[in-house]
Amino acid sequence: GIQVEQSPPDLILQEGANSTLRCNFSDSVNNLQWFHQNPWGQLINLFYIPSGTKQNGRLSATTVATERYSLLYISSSQTTDSGVYFCAVGSGGGADGLTFGKGTHLIIQP
Amino acid sequence: DAGVTQSPTHLIKTRGQHVTLRCSPISGHKSVSWYQQVLGQGPQFIFQYYEKEERGRGNFPDRFSARQFPNYSSELNVNALLLGDSALYLCASSLQWLPFEQYFGPGTRLTVT
Repeated sequence: GIQVEQSPPDLILQEGANSTLRCNFSDSVNNLQWFHQNPWGQLINLFYIPSGTKQNGRLSATTVATERYSLLYISSSQTTDSGVYFCAVGSGGGADGLTFGKGTHLIIQP
Repeated sequence: DAGVTQSPTHLIKTRGQHVTLRCSPISGHKSVSWYQQVLGQGPQFIFQYYEKEERGRGNFPDRFSARQFPNYSSELNVNALLLGDSALYLCASSLQWLPFEQYFGPGTRLTVT
C-alpha cells in the first residue's frame, strides 16, 4: 500500500511565526486531504487537494502530484492553531480507504 | 446542516465482550467509512461502505464487522474485545466512495478493561 511520511514530527513556534508542514507519499494518488485534529479528537477538514494550490485565510496548501509531495503553510500562527496536523491520501477506487501519515504535532506558544 | 454524528461518545467494555458503534452520515452522503485511531498514531482504515455494499476493507481481524442501512447510517461491530481494541473509532462520510472528500465525525472513545 501507499506510504505517507510527514515532517517534522514536532514543531514548537512562537505566536506570529510562519510554518511549513510537509507530506511525502510513495505512489500516485487521486485524493489528498489535510486535517487538523483538535484536543477532543475531532478531525477538521482543512484542504482537499489532490493537486494544485489552495488558500483559506492564513492557511494554504500545495500538492505537486508528479513529485509526490504536499505542503501545508500556516502564516501568522495563533495559539488556536496548536494540535496535530494529518495528511491523508487515497488512490484508485478507494478499496484501501485513506492512508494517514503519523502527523505533525504543532505547539504555538504565546 | 448537521455533520457526521456518532454514538456513543464514550464506552467502557470488558475483555471478551461485544460492542456496537453507530454513525449517521451527512445528509445526502451515501458512503461511510470507519477508522481506528490508537493513541499517538494516525487513523487506520477499517471498512468503507457505499450503497449498503462493502467497497473496501483494511487489515483488521474478522472480529470486526460492519454494515450500512437503507438510510445510509452504519454500525461497526467488534466481537471478543481485546485490550488492544482500546482506541478512538472514527466514522467518515462522503458523497460517494473515494476519491471524494471525506468528512469525519467526533468519534467514539472505546476503553477495554
